[in-house]
Amino acid sequence: QKEVEQNSGPLSVPEGAIASLNCTYSDRGSQSFFWYRQYSGKSPELIMFIYSNGDKEDGRFTAQLNKASQYVSLLIRDSQPSDSATYLCASRGGYNKLIFGAGTRLAVHP
Amino acid sequence: EAGVVQSPRYKIIEKKQPVAFWCNPISGHNTLYWYRQNLGQGPELLIRYENEEAVDDSQLPKDRFSAERLKGVDSTLKIQPAELGDSAVYLCASSRLGQGANVLTFGAGSRLTVL
Repeated sequence: QKEVEQNSGPLSVPEGAIASLNCTYSDRGSQSFFWYRQYSGKSPELIMFIYSNGDKEDGRFTAQLNKASQYVSLLIRDSQPSDSATYLCASRGGYNKLIFGAGTRLAVHP
Repeated sequence: EAGVVQSPRYKIIEKKQPVAFWCNPISGHNTLYWYRQNLGQGPELLIRYENEEAVDDSQLPKDRFSAERLKGVDSTLKIQPAELGDSAVYLCASSRLGQGANVLTFGAGSRLTVL
């Protein structure tokens, strides 16, 4: 079992819709969780991070964390074609180690 | 603020040849990471430095990979000899120690092709 699991996609949503990206993790000791966006051929860039159970909103993005279910999600409201990218979920576990999932490819079509 | 700088951006070599990648982190970032990213996969940590000290190198294939971070700033990752399976993007990232320590900023990456 991988430590951080994501559906590889592609997740296809129409422009203006809500995109929902999901991630599960195996290490119950993980303290914080990160969402990175990676455009094709580019390096990952941080979108947001979350430490506490519940929701955290930043503009069109909302991260949700449920530690009991070991589940993290990212919602993108009013999806735009420019949101088309691979979204990487990462968890920080023991020894301050940041572990990435394989990423979910999102395609937003006009 | 300048970002994380990596070189070279692209490198094509034949198997069994050596290769080296260089990284200059963001000024003031004490922690430096080398990740490897295979096509369609997430980044995999190879080594993490806090200042000059390698604090996590458990995933570094030590028979052929080596890294150094002299003076706690720039870092070099070396592969000798390279194998076909080493073809990947090598990403360098940096962060501050302490609060927000894991807000990593990545460089543009070095894409290695081993023929």
